[in-house]
Amino acid sequence: DAGVIQSPRHEVTEMGQEVTLRCKPISGHNSLFWYRQTMMRGLELLIYFNNNVPIDDSGMPEDRFSAKMPNASFSTLKIQPSEPRDSAVYFCASSIQGQRGEKLFFGSGTQLSVL
Amino acid sequence: AQKITQTQPGMFVQEKEAVTLDCTYDTSDPSYGLFWYKQPSSGEMIFLIYQGSYDQQNATEGRYSLNFQKARKSANLVISASQLGDSAMYFCASQNFVFGPGTRLSVLP
Repeated sequence: DAGVIQSPRHEVTEMGQEVTLRCKPISGHNSLFWYRQTMMRGLELLIYFNNNVPIDDSGMPEDRFSAKMPNASFSTLKIQPSEPRDSAVYFCASSIQGQRGEKLFFGSGTQLSVL
Repeated sequence: AQKITQTQPGMFVQEKEAVTLDCTYDTSDPSYGLFWYKQPSSGEMIFLIYQGSYDQQNATEGRYSLNFQKARKSANLVISASQLGDSAMYFCASQNFVFGPGTRLSVLP
């Protein structure tokens, strides 16, 4: 049974470029989460979706960040334009219904480096 | 804002010994739950154990158990018989998807 799949695993880009991170949640899971992990700020919840609808995007840093979930099996996190301070590991996670008390299943993460 | 506190940035433990990692949750909600996740050096996040505030008994999963103190709103993770493979970052998280800063555990041979 496939877990949460993220692509790419690594992304190196130059400041000002657009970056798109992709995530495929576990089949049958109705909730999807995007996290950012840095040494300074730890794991930050950026946004989460339930049944493809954004529920809480209060963690999205600024307008340069946007996330979409066009269907139950795919989500993107886009940064445009990217900046060096966006360098981090971005995790996607899914859960069955996003209810309190449900564990999260994480993907392997995307290591983003913005030069 | 509800906050997860992990007061130990780093911990050392001798192989085969037990170790306790601390976690407290700042919330006014009497119904809450706390999770623990492990992040090895390879980077993936692995669910370990969960307990809700109304659960009657402390949760256990193999060598992992929780010392849950409802009044203190704490759920300390106890790892028994530590193994070298337990060396990792350990994160406590709320059921509102907020993570603590983590504790780096190093198991010494």
